[in-house]
Amino acid sequence: SQQGEEDPQALSIQEGENATMNCSYKTSINNLQWYRQNSGRGLVHLILIRSNEREKHSGRLRVTLDTSKKSSSLLITASRAADTASYFCATPRGSGNTGKLIFGQGTTLQVKP
Amino acid sequence: DTAVSQTPKYLVTQMGNDKSIKCEQNLGHDTMYWYKQDSKKFLKIMFSYNNKELIINETVPNRFSPKSPDKAHLNLHINSLELGDSAVYFCASSPLGAGNTIYFGEGSWLTVV
Repeated sequence: SQQGEEDPQALSIQEGENATMNCSYKTSINNLQWYRQNSGRGLVHLILIRSNEREKHSGRLRVTLDTSKKSSSLLITASRAADTASYFCATPRGSGNTGKLIFGQGTTLQVKP
Repeated sequence: DTAVSQTPKYLVTQMGNDKSIKCEQNLGHDTMYWYKQDSKKFLKIMFSYNNKELIINETVPNRFSPKSPDKAHLNLHINSLELGDSAVYFCASSPLGAGNTIYFGEGSWLTVV
């Protein structure tokens, strides 16, 4: 079953605006990750936030994590046309060597020049 | 140098055929995966291998047979292809253990006609 669910499913903004994507999950986690997928390409890791962290920054990316609400958000500031992609959150399920990363269905972001 | 490489990138084949997708990683990771992404971009894990040993098999039909000759390679063989097998198949790798960052290949687009 799916662990993470992103919201909204699709988002269209103008270049320069901020984009916020949300992710909800169901079980306890020790970290949450965000990935980007450009059209026709593989997924690329963006950022990992641990369960004891509330906020993390990487360049124009800001990720928050609220473990009490089982939710995370990804904010992209001052968006660019090159940010057009699908964004996925992912959470680990299981532990040790048998653990796996479960992906949500993603948010498709379109940034218009 | 490409970290996770998979071939072929595109594959069009008829129902009933057998096909293979090859994958190699040069990151020195212990764990390799096959993920399937459907037309709605839902990404689902199929298999996970640790050091050539099958760890995760997510109730995939036994027409799908992964093979790991060594920890740097994980190939996927599919017998008797069906229309519903059409999807994008991603190979990936990560350090050993749940919750680590996953590195994806560029995907193999399989179309069964």
